[in-house]
Amino acid sequence: GENVEQHPSTLSVQEGDSAVIKCTYSDSASNYFPWYKQELGKRPQLIIDIRSNVGEKKDQRIAVTLNKTAKHFSLHITETQPEDSAVYFCAALGRDDKIIFGKGTRLHILP
Amino acid sequence: KAGVTQTPRYLIKTRGQQVTLSCSPISGHRSVSWYQQTPGQGLQFLFEYFSETQRNKGNFPGRFSGRQFSNSRSEMNVSTLELGDSALYLCASSLKTSGEQFFGPGTRLTVL
Repeated sequence: GENVEQHPSTLSVQEGDSAVIKCTYSDSASNYFPWYKQELGKRPQLIIDIRSNVGEKKDQRIAVTLNKTAKHFSLHITETQPEDSAVYFCAALGRDDKIIFGKGTRLHILP
Repeated sequence: KAGVTQTPRYLIKTRGQQVTLSCSPISGHRSVSWYQQTPGQGLQFLFEYFSETQRNKGNFPGRFSGRQFSNSRSEMNVSTLELGDSALYLCASSLKTSGEQFFGPGTRLTVL
């Protein structure tokens, strides 16, 4: 069945450095790729998304890139801040409009 | 607009019992999806309802079922509870299936 692999499962970066989280998907029909952030004890919230007709999208310190040929997409956070500490989930919307989430990346921003 | 609400927020049950969880979507949203969240497994898709019809289903046993009412409110039911069903159950609503999902606060179910 459809699958989304997310790496790494845990990531620690120094405050001010960049963080990169990578996901691969199996369904070549996938055309929508959202990223959600879940802070401790809170609900997941959409932070950025990209559709298959573009290769990159940026919103202030966060950006997402998509490589359809390789079936992978990545989240880039620059100039990390303490409030970026959270669990990040990638997802892919595939055939039959089914959204499949990755298992999440726990990002720690070190002071 | 009020956000997605879920009731109850916490629930403790024993093995073999059944449970019903409720989700009220954002006004105007017709799609409601349910997810099970456990440590290490991320968000696992249970099912999605749109206009009272189940559109998609994840890989969960038949003990997990759901429904959606004409006002888009949704319920999910788990019968014959097992210890492994202990998890945070999240519902999410969206205007359309391929749009942004707005999550509720979740119901934390503990099975003893």
